[in-house]
Amino acid sequence: QKEVEQDPGPLSVPEGAIVSLNCTYSNSAFQYFMWYRQYSRKGPELLMYTYSSGNKEDGRFTAQVDKSSKYISLFIRDSQPSDSATYLCAMAARFNDYKLSFGAGTTVTVRA
Amino acid sequence: DAGITQSPRHKVTETGTPVTLRCHQTENHRYMYWYRQDPGHGLRLIHYSYGVKDTDKGEVSDGYSVSRSKTEDFLLTLESATSSQTSVYFCAKRADSNTGELFFGEGSRLTVL
Repeated sequence: QKEVEQDPGPLSVPEGAIVSLNCTYSNSAFQYFMWYRQYSRKGPELLMYTYSSGNKEDGRFTAQVDKSSKYISLFIRDSQPSDSATYLCAMAARFNDYKLSFGAGTTVTVRA
Repeated sequence: DAGITQSPRHKVTETGTPVTLRCHQTENHRYMYWYRQDPGHGLRLIHYSYGVKDTDKGEVSDGYSVSRSKTEDFLLTLESATSSQTSVYFCAKRADSNTGELFFGEGSRLTVL
């Protein structure tokens, strides 16, 4: 079993819809949670960062962490065609060496 | 611009040949990483470095070695390339911030025939 599970999709939604992405994990030591966005043939870039449990909002993006259920989510409101990308969840247990464990990534297409 | 460049960006080689991928950063960040990305697996850590000559293994280190003789350069070497090492390789550096954000290069696409 993988340490981080993420549904690869693909996910196709109309413009303006809410996109819901999630990951589950098995390592209870994880306490740093991130979402990266990766455009085709590009390197990933950090989208959201959360430490421990709770919610975080940044513009149209909301990240949620539920450590009791070992479940994290990313919501994209009012989705735009420019949001079409692969979204990867990532998490780490310790800050010092910061060895991130990534999910497989979910490919999202927002149709105009 | 993430301040991190990889070379070569594309390479085709044959089984059994050695290959070296180079990662260069323009700043003096301490931590650097090599990941490989394959369909269905996401990004998997190969090796990482926490300073000059200080390196450690990741989860898929077999068949790979690394070297860091200068802060700005982190090299990944495949001593004898195999077809299973066909992949996209990403180098990353870690920001000196509270989030420890990783900044990734554009990737090196390696095909081993």
